[in-house]
Amino acid sequence: GENVEQHPSTLSVQEGDSAVIKCTYSDSASNYFPWYKQELGKRPQLIIDIRSNVGEKKDQRIAVTLNKTAKHFSLHITETQPEDSAVYFCAASDNNNDMRFGAGTRLTVKP
Amino acid sequence: ETGVTQSPTHLIKTRGQQVTLRCSSQSGHNTVSWYQQALGQGPQFIFQYYREEENGRGNFPPRFSGLQFPNYSSELNVNALELDDSALYLCASSFGTDTQYFGPGTRLTVL
Repeated sequence: GENVEQHPSTLSVQEGDSAVIKCTYSDSASNYFPWYKQELGKRPQLIIDIRSNVGEKKDQRIAVTLNKTAKHFSLHITETQPEDSAVYFCAASDNNNDMRFGAGTRLTVKP
Repeated sequence: ETGVTQSPTHLIKTRGQQVTLRCSSQSGHNTVSWYQQALGQGPQFIFQYYREEENGRGNFPPRFSGLQFPNYSSELNVNALELDDSALYLCASSFGTDTQYFGPGTRLTVL
């Protein structure tokens, strides 16, 4: 089955700096890669997703890149703000079934 | 917030008991996926229901079972509870292979 690895496990940045979180996956059949943000005690919330027919997707300060050959994808957050502080999870699946999540990255943005 | 709801919010059970968790999917969605999230970890896929049929299952024993009803709401049943079953149980609804949206979760504690 699919195995998703996520790095780093913790990330601390200064407000206004960029943050990058990287994930690798093992199953070449995976074609859907969402990123979720989870604040303490709350549900995971989708922040951006990408499908395998696209190499990059951007939504304001958030971007995701996908390298299918290398089986890795990354989340980029620019101009970070304190409210970006949360745990971020990457995930991979084949057509949104049997979705496998990474272990999470705790992002802290210092004011 | 998504239109996905879960009940109950919290639940305390003792080892060996059985539990039923409920999930109401967002309007227009026909697919429900269930996840177990242990403290400090990413969600682990339990199974998915599509149009009332199980449509994929993760590495969970048969004592984890589910149902989906004609209105696409769903139940997760866990028999013979073990201490390690203590976790946040999340459901997510989607329209087929489209984006999954999570409910707020049920926190299960097994004593």
